[in-house]
Amino acid sequence: EVQLVESGGGLVQPGGSRRLSCAASGFAFSTYWMHWVRQSPGKGLVWVSGISSDGSTTDYADSVKGRFTISRDNAKNMLYLQMNSLRAEDTAVYYCARVRPGPFQYWGQGAVVTVSS
Amino acid sequence: DIVMTQSPDSLAVSLGERATINCKSSQSVFYRSNNKNYLAWYQQKPGQPPKLLINWASIRESGVPDRFSGSGSGTDFTLTISSLQVEDVAVYYCQQFYTGWTFGQGTKVEIK
Repeated sequence: EVQLVESGGGLVQPGGSRRLSCAASGFAFSTYWMHWVRQSPGKGLVWVSGISSDGSTTDYADSVKGRFTISRDNAKNMLYLQMNSLRAEDTAVYYCARVRPGPFQYWGQGAVVTVSS
Repeated sequence: DIVMTQSPDSLAVSLGERATINCKSSQSVFYRSNNKNYLAWYQQKPGQPPKLLINWASIRESGVPDRFSGSGSGTDFTLTISSLQVEDVAVYYCQQFYTGWTFGQGTKVEIK
């Protein structure tokens, strides 16, 4: 059974940093692109970042480019999102997601990040 | 970036009646080389992550009831729930994966 479990969410001050983790199991992690998708309170879904199966290629939404860094450790089946210079508008539930390939077939339960003083 | 626009934003349908959600992309998501539309539909219930319902515009995922169907091509797509059930109350999103990944704003489906 495919499982994605996010951790690392919490309250952070504006300008602060946070690292989210996603533990993957039940599939060959090193063969799939992985992504982060966020959902602000009461809002829709927004793709944040993606990383290729070997970690050599990364992509970011314009809204987080230069502030967020996606990475992975295939030996540990782990996906990460390092978030720096956080803003109030980054407040959201952050989902780790695996592509089918194509659309996002599997999702974690999400990690809540609140940026507030 | 490809912009996805859904309509309506919300709809209320009687149990057993049809619900229809539309999705329009700002440019075609049809890839001629493999004759596929790079369009998916998701269902999200409160407090849960989204669930993939339909892939390639019209292919139901395993386990998805056949009252859900997707249609359309190019820039215009439709998700139809043929006979609304209580468990179908949710927000539905379309998503293109032709270039990057962008979602529609969501359509909330309720019981009338």
